[in-house]
Amino acid sequence: NAGVTQTPKFQVLKTGQSMTLQCAQDMNHEYMSWYRQDPGMGLRLIHYSVGAGITDQGEVPNGYNVSRSTTEDFPLRLLSAAPSQTSVYFCASSYAGSYGYTFGSGTRLTVV
Amino acid sequence: DQQVKQNSPSLSVQEGRISILNCDYTNSMFDYFLWYKKYPAEGPTFLISISSIKDKNEDGRFTVFLNKSAKHLSLHIVPSQPGDSAVYFCAASERTSGSRLTFGEGTQLTVNP
Repeated sequence: NAGVTQTPKFQVLKTGQSMTLQCAQDMNHEYMSWYRQDPGMGLRLIHYSVGAGITDQGEVPNGYNVSRSTTEDFPLRLLSAAPSQTSVYFCASSYAGSYGYTFGSGTRLTVV
Repeated sequence: DQQVKQNSPSLSVQEGRISILNCDYTNSMFDYFLWYKKYPAEGPTFLISISSIKDKNEDGRFTVFLNKSAKHLSLHIVPSQPGDSAVYFCAASERTSGSRLTFGEGTQLTVNP
């Protein structure tokens, strides 16, 4: 049971480049979310999904897109990377109606 | 606005003593609260939670207390161990928003041998 798998673990992008952070879970969880962690700011919700085909914005959605075509996968797309998107990104999943999320190990992204 | 606040960025305690981590919230719609622990280069892991219908929940060395009138919760770790050294995040959720979690800034706990 792999839990929540995020790839890549590290990435360096140039300003203006686009990329997709991958997230997959094998626990048949309905709920999935993306957070970013910045120093002194805790984890902030970017986008979330309550099931396949359903997504919604969190606190800091600008510059990011998501889609949920399957229960297992929830990719996060950076459309045109900016230095302000330098952060550690965490994907998480939970059972519908449960409050406890299981987190992936994170992707450290640097935009230069 | 920061709806969940952890005002202490860091806390240092001696092994065997009690660690008390504090968290305040402003949104009166929050009805479920969680604590997560995070080691460097790892994702947060769930530690303990409490519903707003309770004022205390225990799990081994970890106890969470909730004071709804003060909009305050705390995590007690007794006795503290060096392996407890990590960043602790408080999080909150409201029933109507499903499983959306709002996190505090985190507190770095250091337990000295």
